[in-house]
Formats: sequence, structure tokens, C-alpha cells
Amino acid sequence: KNEVEQSPQNLTAQEGEFITINCSYSVGISALHWLQQHPGGGIVSLFMLSSGKKKHGRLIATINIQEKHSSLHITASHPRDSAVYICAVTPFGNEKLTFGTGTRLTIIP
Amino acid sequence: KAGVTQTPRYLIKTRGQQVTLSCSPISGHRSVSWYQQTPGQGLQFLFEYFSETQRNKGNFPGRFSGRQFSNSRSEMNVSTLELGDSALYLCASSLDGTGYNQPQHFGDGTRLSIL
Repeated sequence: KNEVEQSPQNLTAQEGEFITINCSYSVGISALHWLQQHPGGGIVSLFMLSSGKKKHGRLIATINIQEKHSSLHITASHPRDSAVYICAVTPFGNEKLTFGTGTRLTIIP
Repeated sequence: KAGVTQTPRYLIKTRGQQVTLSCSPISGHRSVSWYQQTPGQGLQFLFEYFSETQRNKGNFPGRFSGRQFSNSRSEMNVSTLELGDSALYLCASSLDGTGYNQPQHFGDGTRLSIL
């Protein structure tokens, strides 16, 4: 079983819809990262959080440390949001990023 | 401010050869990490360098090695290439290397194909 599990693996939605991507992890962590990867490979770090909630534009990330769960929300989704979203964690005592397998999001105009 | 620069963007090699990839971090960043991304295994951590020293290492064979120079630029080397080494190799830099509780700034990657 992977230490970081994401759901869904694939998600297709209409433009304007509210999107939620989930991440569950099985180890104690010091931080959780949400990353975005567009076709071509480049990765952008969207959020790094260890508690609570962060917001940047139409993107919101939340984390529940007790439940070992995080969600990434996109409001008013747009075709340019189409990408692979990857959750990664920094386990306690092991300063190496451990990645989920990613969620492929496609927003249809 | 320039981002993380990786060179080359694409590379084709044959089995048994060796390859060197380069990564220039954001100016002022002292930590550089390397990752391998394949369709089967996803993203996996290779190693991290800080102040010219390897500080963390993932579970890869000794054919994978790296180094960091005094200007924080980093190289990774893969010797005796195998077909399974075909992957996107990404590097990321962060400010002062106080662990991974800092945003990682990624380059666009080097896509390595082994024939």
C-alpha cells in the first residue's frame, strides 16, 4: 500500500464546476505539498501546508492532521486548470518527499 | 528572477552508456533535489544536495550519483544505462535546505530515452 493515496485518479468536469481532489497518507508528516504538472513535464508547487487551510486565487487546500487527509479544491474551474495534480508529503524523521500517483484533471469548455 | 534551469531538455542514449544532467537552481537557493518520474513508478526521490554535500538519498542503485558545486549548481550522473532508466528527471531547489518544509521550485525536467 502506498504511503500517499490520491483520489480520483482521473476527473473530467465542465468549465465552471467546483473540483475536489483528495489525498490520504498513512504516516506522520511535517508538511504536505500540492503540485501541478502540465503536459511537457514542468511542475509548479501550489501549496505547502502543515495545518488548517490555505487559499490562492481559485485554489484552496485544506489538511486534517488527525485524519491524515488533505483536499485540494478548485472553484469556477477553467480549461487552463487541466493538468495532473500531485500530493506529496514529508514524513517525520525522513526528509524525503513521498509522492502520490497524481490526479489527472480535464476541464471541458 | 530566473527559475530552475535544467539542461538538456531531451536526451537519447543507448544501453551501457552514461549520462550527465545539469541543474541550475534559483539564485540564492542552496538545496537541490533530484527526482525520477516514470509512468510505472510515478515520482521518486533520488537525492538531495545542500552546501555541496549529499544530505539525503533515495532507494536507487549506485549507478545514480550526483554532486553539487560551490555555486549550488548540481549535476546527476547515471552510468551503465538500462532501458528502465528512461524517464523524466526533475530537479527542484529550495532556499536554505532546512528540510522539505519549504516550497520546492521545480525545473522543466530532462527527458531521457534509452534505446
